[in-house]
Amino acid sequence: GAGVSQTPSNKVTEKGKYVELRCDPISGHTALYWYRQSLGQGPEFLIYFQGTGAADDSGLPNDRFFAVRPEGSVSTLKIQRTERGDSAVYLCASSLIRLAGVTGELFFGEGSRLTVL
Amino acid sequence: AQTVTQSQPEMSVQEAETVTLSCTYDTSESNYYLFWYKQPPSRQMILVIRQEAYKQQNATENRFSVNFQKAAKSFSLKISDSQLGDTAMYFCAFMKPNSGTYKYIFGTGTRLKVLA
Repeated sequence: GAGVSQTPSNKVTEKGKYVELRCDPISGHTALYWYRQSLGQGPEFLIYFQGTGAADDSGLPNDRFFAVRPEGSVSTLKIQRTERGDSAVYLCASSLIRLAGVTGELFFGEGSRLTVL
Repeated sequence: AQTVTQSQPEMSVQEAETVTLSCTYDTSESNYYLFWYKQPPSRQMILVIRQEAYKQQNATENRFSVNFQKAAKSFSLKISDSQLGDTAMYFCAFMKPNSGTYKYIFGTGTRLKVLA
């Protein structure tokens, strides 16, 4: 696709339910990021993939959060036993990391707004 | 750990005027990248400008320029000839390549409103 696509754009769920958020990055982008943005805050790093592997998952808040990228393109962020504090916009971004250096530009999707009631 | 601080939660500027947004960061590294991203009300973030720390020359992109002070760990964004379309949240970000990971750290943002 032309840009980073995230689905669903909005998700309302009840406390304790399981949620999956999907990210389809720009074709050919090897790096994929998940960020969480609470109201009035900056994006908070969750996890970074280089290809299929999670190169850095230090931002995942606890073991209820998990993300996969099985074929090195589409990624899914999975949240188990959702809590009200998980309500936020979840942003996905992709980037092209060149061997000779870093282009630096992250291309963001429009985000998935998660509301946990 | 690296941190990025934006001390101006909100700012406003008259159309056609110039405004400067502040950003400071904390790192012990010497080689890194700095960015300004814009997030309009539609929510999708886009890159405004970037600076490589090893470059002494300040980056410029049309009406946007930065004042990069490496020793002071300061990276401010200047917007000249402000336009209504510049109304958005602006985020400063830091990235240090480290052992194959490229983790971007964002500040809390500055909400800029351009007034007609």
